[in-house]
Amino acid sequence: DTGVSQDPRHKITKRGQNVTFRCDPISEHNRLYWYRQTLGQGPEFLTYFQNEAQLEKSRLLSDRFSAERPKGSFSTLEIQRTEQGDSAMYLCASSERRGARSGANVLTFGAGSRLTVL
Amino acid sequence: AQKVTQAQTEISVVEKEDVTLDCVYETRDTTYYLFWYKQPPSGELVFLIRRNSFDEQNEISGRYSWNFQKSTSSFNFTITASQVVDSAVYFCALRDNAGNNRKLIWGLGTSLAVNP
Repeated sequence: DTGVSQDPRHKITKRGQNVTFRCDPISEHNRLYWYRQTLGQGPEFLTYFQNEAQLEKSRLLSDRFSAERPKGSFSTLEIQRTEQGDSAMYLCASSERRGARSGANVLTFGAGSRLTVL
Repeated sequence: AQKVTQAQTEISVVEKEDVTLDCVYETRDTTYYLFWYKQPPSGELVFLIRRNSFDEQNEISGRYSWNFQKSTSSFNFTITASQVVDSAVYFCALRDNAGNNRKLIWGLGTSLAVNP
């Protein structure tokens, strides 16, 4: 178990381009979360998957954002027509299913994907 | 509404000093979880502790200790004999059990600098 992996770690793009981030959660975790963090702020919730089902989306997730978890394993977060305001660290986390041992509700985070939109 | 307040934006101490990071939360629910996470300069959020609302026992783990007081809605974190490696941003977070809510509500974090 290598923890939660995110790729790429850093992405610099020009405004208007599309970007995609990938997250590989801990293998036995069925829950996957995407958060966004800007400088000096705590993480902001974007969306949440249980297995392949996307169960909740934040209002922060505009139409330009889409997240998928096609086989209930890895997930992708795509941002279309990027804007400078999208510059942030995009964090992925995973957790065990509710009630599963003492680890329930504990999020394990990846190192994040830092996006810079020029 | 849920809210987490970390009033201390930045704290600077000298190595071996004790330091307490404050966390005050707001929730209407009787069942909830509180968390502390550490974010070192590398950026990865590291889980430190989870406490549920029914467990008010204080906890000690090495140099770390947590004081949970429901009466004041506080969940404070103390580092004893601080070390340079403790330098990081520390976040307090809250999660309730209402409906399908799976979100953590985060404070803004306290940036701790431990100087040699």
